[in-house]
Amino acid sequence: GQQLNQSPQSMFIQEGEDVSMNCTSSSIFNTWLWYKQDPGEGPVLLIALYKAGELTSNGRLTAQFGITRKDSFLNISASIPSDVGIYFCAGPGRDDKIIFGKGTRLHILP
Amino acid sequence: GAVVSQHPSWVICKSGTSVKIECRSLDFQATTMFWYRQFPKQSLMLMATSNEGSKATYEQGVEKDKFLINHASLTLSTLTVTSAHPEDSSFYICSASFTVSYEQYFGPGTRLTVT
Repeated sequence: GQQLNQSPQSMFIQEGEDVSMNCTSSSIFNTWLWYKQDPGEGPVLLIALYKAGELTSNGRLTAQFGITRKDSFLNISASIPSDVGIYFCAGPGRDDKIIFGKGTRLHILP
Repeated sequence: GAVVSQHPSWVICKSGTSVKIECRSLDFQATTMFWYRQFPKQSLMLMATSNEGSKATYEQGVEKDKFLINHASLTLSTLTVTSAHPEDSSFYICSASFTVSYEQYFGPGTRLTVT
């Protein structure tokens, strides 16, 4: 079935560093969604992308809809401790059901 | 805007009992609500999709008689775990959507522990 592959699976960074993560698929997606989940909480929608090539920002977060429609990227600038969590990409599959990636776990070293 | 609540946030029950989890959209009318299950350190697994006033559509492998879903209004959906067993222990999360887009807004989740 369709899958979304997120890379890296986990990241350990220093506070203040910039972060980049991506999400790829073997099939075309028409919408990309990026969510963040804090421990013990539900995911929160960060950014939604609807057009190939689209670049959208939400504060220190910037996401891009890849021009091939098979990938998307999320960047976080100047990371802070509250950025810790799991970042999921998601998009509608062939049957219009939302598919989630397995997530990228962001850790910030003290 | 687009706030979804869940109740309870955590529940401990004995094996064989039933547990009801409520999901409410607080500031919008949800055309569709979704129920997910999440195991530790894993992604979200869709259990079922429900539209107000109609029967829920369950994903393959999800027992509809065990996980009863009622979507009585545009702001409330409930998930009842019937005759719960320890293997039903998990984090259950609902989400709701209100537009024709694919954006889903998630509740804070319910941690179910069956002893």
